[in-house]
Amino acid sequence: SQKIEQNSEALNIQEGKTATLTCNYTNYSPAYLQWYRQDPGRGPVFLLLIRENEKEKRKERLKVTFDTTLKQSLFHITASQPADSATYLCAFSGGSYIPTFGRGTSLIVHP
Amino acid sequence: GAGVSQSPSNKVTEKGKDVELRCDPISGHTALYWYRQSLGQGLEFLIYFQGNSAPDKSGLPSDRFSAERTGGSVSTLTIQRTQQEDSAVYLCASSPRTATYEQYFGPGTRLTVT
Repeated sequence: SQKIEQNSEALNIQEGKTATLTCNYTNYSPAYLQWYRQDPGRGPVFLLLIRENEKEKRKERLKVTFDTTLKQSLFHITASQPADSATYLCAFSGGSYIPTFGRGTSLIVHP
Repeated sequence: GAGVSQSPSNKVTEKGKDVELRCDPISGHTALYWYRQSLGQGLEFLIYFQGNSAPDKSGLPSDRFSAERTGGSVSTLTIQRTQQEDSAVYLCASSPRTATYEQYFGPGTRLTVT
């Protein structure tokens, strides 16, 4: 069965640096891969979607890449700020509209 | 515009009682999802509604769980004879027809079964 994996250890970085989060999957490549942000006690917030045939997607300080050879998506936040501290979830959608979510990686940006 | 809303925000119930959780999706969104999130766990899919089609109930963990969506809008998730393992945050999300793979989540209902 398809699995989606995110680093369970928190990522600690200094303000101003680029944060890079990883999402790995097994088996077939998803048609769509999404990234969400979740703050404590809140629902996830949609950030970016990247399609199977796209290599890269950008939105302001955010960048997502999709490497179907490595079966991996990278999520970058440039010029990180303490306000970027949150848990980031990746999710993939294959043949159906029901996505599978990873457990998320916690990002902590230190001032 | 208004986002997805859920009520109640918190619910404490005794084991064996029934509970109803409500979700108001974004107006015009055709798809509606229910998920469950336990502490430190990922989102567990429960049920999916799309327009007037029959819902996909493949994620419901037992027959104690049911959901309905009235008039293609508001949805209610019902848990009968609650158990302690039902304690979790229940999240609802909706998607527009034009961006089906983007989900917009509500704040969730935290359910505690004592």
